[in-house]
Amino acid sequence: DTGVSQNPRHKITKRGQNVTFRCDPISEHNRLYWYRQTLGQGPEFLTYFQNEAQLEKSRLLSDRFSAERPKGSFSTLEIQRTEQGDSAMYLCASSLAGVGTEAFFGQGTRLTVV
Amino acid sequence: DQQVKQNSPSLSVQEGRISILNCDYTNSMFDYFLWYKKYPAEGPTFLISISSIKDKNEDGRFTVFLNKSAKHLSLHIVPSQPGDSAVYFCAASESGNNRLAFGKGNQVVVIP
Repeated sequence: DTGVSQNPRHKITKRGQNVTFRCDPISEHNRLYWYRQTLGQGPEFLTYFQNEAQLEKSRLLSDRFSAERPKGSFSTLEIQRTEQGDSAMYLCASSLAGVGTEAFFGQGTRLTVV
Repeated sequence: DQQVKQNSPSLSVQEGRISILNCDYTNSMFDYFLWYKKYPAEGPTFLISISSIKDKNEDGRFTVFLNKSAKHLSLHIVPSQPGDSAVYFCAASESGNNRLAFGKGNQVVVIP
């Protein structure tokens, strides 16, 4: 399978715990994105990387959120001290840099904070 | 602020007929537009795109129309098939920035 892979698919955690999600992009893609989707809404941009550099972060990304992409390959998204409002689907996407290139999404990680 | 808007949250259409989904945007800097299809418990799947230098792009049963002056685009699916039942998202981006702004989505149900 050469698509975008996300792990885990589902995560249930207690409020206050830390969680980490992993995304493996399509191998030749140099851009990697994280989005969050809540019920009834479209995906909302969180952050993106070009290779290993984190180029942009949304104001939605509070200090409790951190993302990394060491060596420009896979990426991790960590949420510290989770809150119930963090419950959402976290989507990763990858693309080639440049105009007119579509992003390909993974299947997402469904986070439930109880 | 919602820069990409999709009204009429749901659409039911008979198999074989045309499905038309509409999308409006407010950011005049957007120059690349995409439609994604999403099944439950899966990530969005790319469907079709259009650059602002075009007003129409066709791929099989799917056609996207862009009206830049009205900041409006639409997706036509013809003929509609039961497998087209999904949520469809309109998305837009600016040149050099692949960050996508999404609408809230339209639920399409194709009735056999």
